[in-house]
Amino acid sequence: SAVISQKPSRDICQRGTSLTIQCQVDSQVTMMFWYRQQPGQSLTLIATANQGSEATYESGFVIDKFPISRPNLTFSTLTVSNMSPEDSSIYLCSVEQVTGNTIYFGEGSWLTVV
Amino acid sequence: AQTVTQSQPEMSVQEAETVTLSCTYDTSESDYYLFWYKQPPSRQMILVIRQEAYKQQNATENRFSVNFQKAAKSFSLKISDSQLGDAAMYFCAYRASTSYGKLTFGQGTILTVHP
Repeated sequence: SAVISQKPSRDICQRGTSLTIQCQVDSQVTMMFWYRQQPGQSLTLIATANQGSEATYESGFVIDKFPISRPNLTFSTLTVSNMSPEDSSIYLCSVEQVTGNTIYFGEGSWLTVV
Repeated sequence: AQTVTQSQPEMSVQEAETVTLSCTYDTSESDYYLFWYKQPPSRQMILVIRQEAYKQQNATENRFSVNFQKAAKSFSLKISDSQLGDAAMYFCAYRASTSYGKLTFGQGTILTVHP
């Protein structure tokens, strides 16, 4: 199984600021994925982070609000920009292992915007 | 678009008993994958079990098994010999075979285990 580490695990952020979440995988993967889980809700896919190209965003998510970097095959960052209380969520990084088509998640980054 | 529905917001079970969590999905695809994830209070998403749609045999993982009914588009999770550590939110998720890494989740079912 893949081991995925995320930083920070939790943070309290001021309204209007931006925060970058890091995701590190213990093996090389082609694509990494970012999900959002709003309080009491299910998970929603934000975007797919591709190495060497721009991220692909799902409907309702835009690059200006959630810029993503993917500098190599084991690392990605998601920035939540100009935060408002509505951005208070758990943000999760995930990867899919080709062998077994199994999808693994990081521990999540729990952001609270005040 | 694919949708996943978990009609039980909450379920409870006595320790050592068996409980079944329901999940239905809607898709026009013939090939896909289905998953059950467990999310304890720590918020970590833990894979419980996985099923390939092309396999008729139901997946099992120790005390966890599924009842996969492809024609009915149903994918229920059975937990046998429930333990206190099974208490968590359980999510059913769908992945089309052509949508690498992209999951569509159900709304989740909170499972409480009573000692």
